[in-house]
Amino acid sequence: DTGVSQNPRHKITKRGQNVTFRCDPISEHNRLYWYRQTLGQGPEFLTYFQNEAQLEKSRLLSDRFSAERPKGSFSTLEIQRTEQGDSAMYLCASSLDSGLAGGPRDTQYFGPGTRLTVL
Amino acid sequence: SQKIEQNSEALNIQEGKTATLTCNYTNYSPAYLQWYRQDPGRGPVFLLLIRENEKEKRKERLKVTFDTTLKQSLFHITASQPADSATYLCALPPATGGGNKLTFGTGTQLKVEL
Repeated sequence: DTGVSQNPRHKITKRGQNVTFRCDPISEHNRLYWYRQTLGQGPEFLTYFQNEAQLEKSRLLSDRFSAERPKGSFSTLEIQRTEQGDSAMYLCASSLDSGLAGGPRDTQYFGPGTRLTVL
Repeated sequence: SQKIEQNSEALNIQEGKTATLTCNYTNYSPAYLQWYRQDPGRGPVFLLLIRENEKEKRKERLKVTFDTTLKQSLFHITASQPADSATYLCALPPATGGGNKLTFGTGTQLKVEL
């Protein structure tokens, strides 16, 4: 399968615990995005990487959240001291930067998501 | 900041009819607009991208229009089938820079009934 993969698919944790999610993008894609989606809402942008550089972080991303993409390939998203409000679907997407707005390579391909439930 | 509005109420139509979903946006002029499909418990799947200089784009039974004056995109599914039942999301890139991060609408749930 050459699509975006995410692990785990589901995570149940107790409030105050730390969790880490992994995303493996499409291999030739240089951009990687993290989004969060709650029930009845569209995905909300959290952060994105161009290769290994984290270029933007949303103000939604509190200090308890950290993301890495150490070698410009897979990425991890860690949430420390989880809160019930962190319960959501965490989506990863990747794309190939064409340098041209609206070009065919600006399409973002999403993974299946990691469903986090904080008890 | 940019704002995107999609009908929050579900759209129920009969099989074989054309479904039309609306996406309205305010506060800027995007270079392009995208439509995604999302099934329950799954990530969004890209369907179509339409650029600001394109009025209409088609792909099989799908058609998207983009009216930059009205700040509106319409998404049509012709000859709809029960398998088309899903939530459809429109998404816009940032006004400047931003690495093509997308801002999504809340989505419209489509139900195609036999």
